[in-house]
Amino acid sequence: NAGVTQTPKFQVLKTGQSMTLQCAQDMNHEYMSWYRQDPGMGLRLIHYSVGAGITDQGEVPNGYNVSRSTTEDFPLRLLSAAPSQTSVYFCASSYGLGGAGNEQFFGPGTRLTVL
Amino acid sequence: GQNIDQPTEMTATEGAIVQINCTYQTSGFNGLFWYQQHAGEAPTFLSYNVLDGLEEKGRFSSFLSRSKGYSYLLLKELQMKDSASYLCAVSLDRGSTLGRLYFGRGTQLTVWP
Repeated sequence: NAGVTQTPKFQVLKTGQSMTLQCAQDMNHEYMSWYRQDPGMGLRLIHYSVGAGITDQGEVPNGYNVSRSTTEDFPLRLLSAAPSQTSVYFCASSYGLGGAGNEQFFGPGTRLTVL
Repeated sequence: GQNIDQPTEMTATEGAIVQINCTYQTSGFNGLFWYQQHAGEAPTFLSYNVLDGLEEKGRFSSFLSRSKGYSYLLLKELQMKDSASYLCAVSLDRGSTLGRLYFGRGTQLTVWP
């Protein structure tokens, strides 16, 4: 089991560029989510999905798009990168929605810098 | 909005006991999670509480009081490798926020020899 994998590990973008952060899990988890982590701010939810074909917005969705065509993959798209999107991005998955046994497993993160 | 508070930093010495507190005010509650995050790494799951009381897991224990909106993580026999950030997260139980996790800002624990 690879768990949750993310690519790339590091990325530098120029303002206005677009890119996709990849996330995949091999645990057959239904629930997947994207967080960003900024110094002093904790983890904040960007978008999440409760299953293939179903996505919803989290706390800070502006500037990001997601789709979930398969159970395994949950890519995050930055449409037009801005310096405010410089952050560490974590993808996470869990068997279900909250509660016992539904702890989230996190990927290793993508460190993104927007110049 | 959801409000989850924990101290920013704590220090302790090897072999000691440390208690990291977390208070929360949220619109609903479906359990509280503690995660450990070493610098430059992903958070990893430590414990889960949904009922009042103490859950023990080896050197780590976690306590919850739902009526007080309060939890703590207790680390015993501290080791250098316990130096990390400890994240408190509340899972919500209502409607569109069902199952969503809201995180505190994390407590950076430094263990000195």
